[in-house]
Amino acid sequence: GAVVSQHPSRVICKSGTSVKIECRSLDFQATTMFWYRQFPKQSLMLMATSNEGSKATYEQGVEKDKFLINHASLTLSTLTVTSAHPEDSSFYICSATTRTSGVSDTQYFGPGTRLTVL
Amino acid sequence: AQTVTQSQPEMSVQEAETVTLSCTYDTSESDYYLFWYKQPPSRQMILVIRQEAYKQQNATENRFSVNFQKAAKSFSLKISDSQLGDAAMYFCAYTGANSKLTFGKGITLSVRP
Repeated sequence: GAVVSQHPSRVICKSGTSVKIECRSLDFQATTMFWYRQFPKQSLMLMATSNEGSKATYEQGVEKDKFLINHASLTLSTLTVTSAHPEDSSFYICSATTRTSGVSDTQYFGPGTRLTVL
Repeated sequence: AQTVTQSQPEMSVQEAETVTLSCTYDTSESDYYLFWYKQPPSRQMILVIRQEAYKQQNATENRFSVNFQKAAKSFSLKISDSQLGDAAMYFCAYTGANSKLTFGKGITLSVRP
């Protein structure tokens, strides 16, 4: 159980275009989903937290107009990188949890998406 | 703010031997979870083990066990009978009331055949 999928696994796009990444919880309902960015050999950097049916909360320094997050259902969240530029090239990872109250339980991670902007 | 510290960037272990990965954290919260995640070359984050702060008993999962010292804010991971497939980057992580995960910088573990 607790499987999270991410699509696509790899994407190459031209500078100035937009890219959408999907994150799905396959066998559980995710009340909260998270989006991370990871540079090679570094730790995960939290970009934003999304709760189903409400606006995402972005971490300091993350441009919300550039990284659009939608959490339309309890099993799907999407990250859209708008007007992508080469500096947006990175590994993007989502996670999901079933927190209902109190301290959150385990986050389960998707396999990640490697974005390359030419 | 909570912090997680992994001071060793790299470690190496001989196959079949035991290795311990260190982690310390800082928090003012009394209710929280601690985790070890493994990230192999595929970059898929895999949950290795978790520990609830209110439980005194150390968590174990097959060859993996933790030494949770709450007063010292220490949370080390012991891998017994190391296997080649254990080679990966390991992250120590904390989550508390805000549900966000705070990660350490990670440690790269290599396993020598």
